[in-house]
Amino acid sequence: DSGVTQTPKHLITATGQRVTLRCSPRSGDLSVYWYQQSLDQGLQFLIQYYNGEERAKGNILERFSAQQFPDLHSELNLSSLELGDSALYFCASSPRERGAYNEQFFGPGTRLTVL
Amino acid sequence: GIQVEQSPPDLILQEGANSTLRCNFSDSVNNLQWFHQNPWGQLINLFYIPSGTKQNGRLSATTVATERYSLLYISSSQTTDSGVYFCAVGPRMDSSYKLIFGSGTRLLVRP
Repeated sequence: DSGVTQTPKHLITATGQRVTLRCSPRSGDLSVYWYQQSLDQGLQFLIQYYNGEERAKGNILERFSAQQFPDLHSELNLSSLELGDSALYFCASSPRERGAYNEQFFGPGTRLTVL
Repeated sequence: GIQVEQSPPDLILQEGANSTLRCNFSDSVNNLQWFHQNPWGQLINLFYIPSGTKQNGRLSATTVATERYSLLYISSSQTTDSGVYFCAVGPRMDSSYKLIFGSGTRLLVRP
């Protein structure tokens, strides 16, 4: 158990719908990262938050958005869902944004299926 | 951007055999991690090893940062070692601390 929690574990929805994925980082970790794992694209970085602020964006679609709340949990919102959004979505956390030690620990993932 | 290449892409072993997985990266990094993705999809941290050598039981890893590669050694493999092994790096010149993943080595250990 990495200490990172994600809910829900599985999500099945229809095209055009909107879903919210939730992540709680390890106790004390300030950085949260979201990654997407799909069969054709592999594991890709989506977005990073540090202590409530957005720090970096990767290959995140405009239909996707995220935020980190004052209690440091994070949510990833996916809207106008398409079949190609079906994937495993991981959240990761690390102790800090900068410094000599920023090992990332991953949650169990949310498996999203868009029908 | 930085490229991460893992080899071999697939590996089949008999239980008890040893193996070496390789990760090459194309630019300087400030983070390198090895993960095992089990059949249930969980990503399990194996090593945080931007440089040097570490050992944890039957697993060990070495990163030679100046030559831009890392090796993961699995000794006396067990069926529970099956899954996909990922190398992921954090580019030094990148202002974020995102990880760039290789495409993985898929390992099957047969009893």
